[in-house]
Amino acid sequence: EAGVAQSPRYKIIEKRQSVAFWCNPISGHATLYWYQQILGQGPKLLIQFQNNGVVDDSQLPKDRFSAERLKGVDSTLKIQPAKLEDSAVYLCASSLGGWGGVETQYFGPGTRLLVL
Amino acid sequence: TQLLEQSPQFLSIQEGENLTVYCNSSSVFSSLQWYRQEPGEGPVLLVTVVTGGEVKKLKRLTFQFGDARKDSSLHITAAQPGDTGLYLCAGDNAGNNRKLIWGLGTSLAVNP
Repeated sequence: EAGVAQSPRYKIIEKRQSVAFWCNPISGHATLYWYQQILGQGPKLLIQFQNNGVVDDSQLPKDRFSAERLKGVDSTLKIQPAKLEDSAVYLCASSLGGWGGVETQYFGPGTRLLVL
Repeated sequence: TQLLEQSPQFLSIQEGENLTVYCNSSSVFSSLQWYRQEPGEGPVLLVTVVTGGEVKKLKRLTFQFGDARKDSSLHITAAQPGDTGLYLCAGDNAGNNRKLIWGLGTSLAVNP
């Protein structure tokens, strides 16, 4: 079974530039998550999709971050314009999306962003 | 605001030593997960504990969920360099706004 795919793996940009990250979840997984992880810390949930609808975007800085999952499969996270403090690893995860019980989240390898 | 505190934040030990990592909260969780993240990779689920007082073993790793489901511990026996990584706990709040609450992690280095 193929895992969660993310691209690019690394990105270096200058502040005020724009950047986009792509994620393809595990086939059949209804729920998709985008996390921001500062070096050495735990993941911070940015946005959670159930199919193509947003479940939780309470911690997404909406003035500069946007995300979409138009067809309920792959997803794109965009930052425009980037700030120095956006330097982090951006992780995408997916889960089956059942409404009961505990779910396992499967993570991609992440995109490492450096803003100069 | 629900928080999960992990301790210690950093741990550097020699191969063969034992260690315990703690995950504590003032909130009750319906379940708690432990993940390990190796450098350059995403977190990978190790175990889920659901019942208060539950103990699960995964080879040299022993996970325990507190009786009140507010805390958990991970004990590693005879640590090996392959155990090096970031250990993360995440609690399922099972509330109306159901989500995983993540700890900040314990960074473990096992030196040969």
